[in-house]
Amino acid sequence: AQSVTQLGSHVSVSEGALVLLRCNYSSSVPPYLFWYVQYPNQGLQLLLKYTSAATLVKGINGFEAVFKKSETSFHLTKPSAHMSDAAEYFCAVSRANTGGFKTIFGAGTRLFVKA
Amino acid sequence: EPEVTQTPSHQVTQMGQEVILRCVPISNHLYFYWYRQILGQKVEFLVSFYNNEISEKSEIFDDQFSVERPDGSNFTLKIRSTKLEDSAMYFCASSGRTQNTEAFFGQGTRLTVV
Repeated sequence: AQSVTQLGSHVSVSEGALVLLRCNYSSSVPPYLFWYVQYPNQGLQLLLKYTSAATLVKGINGFEAVFKKSETSFHLTKPSAHMSDAAEYFCAVSRANTGGFKTIFGAGTRLFVKA
Repeated sequence: EPEVTQTPSHQVTQMGQEVILRCVPISNHLYFYWYRQILGQKVEFLVSFYNNEISEKSEIFDDQFSVERPDGSNFTLKIRSTKLEDSAMYFCASSGRTQNTEAFFGQGTRLTVV
């Protein structure tokens, strides 16, 4: 069975500081991994995805993530936080099966950015 | 860029009423999904649908729920006899012609049961 663990339900950083949101996954087969961002009362926006190509994945808004198979991790980073990055971030894992492409989400990490 | 469209964006209904949430998946996609997010919680898988039948469902997806693809473009989630605890954001998603493409999510329908 697949699962996702996001370490830290809340992360607070100062504007301009490094953002690091942690995600560990469990999957019996090579997974597809995703980071989504959700602003208050809005839908899910895909930040980036890993689909077994390069282990360093670059996404939108300056975010990137590194897939480390040995650590079963897919941590999200951004070199310099901006106030507009304050949101909820979800790590997700999925794999293809006969039912299609079921996605399992982590519990989410709320990012606070201090001025 | 093609996108998944959900209507309405907000729905308020009285407890015990039936609601239908509507989705228009990306046009050449074959797999369709519904997810639910209770306020402040994570996104949970409800059901996947392929070739006009449910291919997988979670324990949340009980007899109160049903899905349908009534025509070539819409995908609906029906909730019968709504309960207060059905209040949530409901996301529709679709994925492509093979099992190896990711799912694309709609912007969600916020359902409030009063």
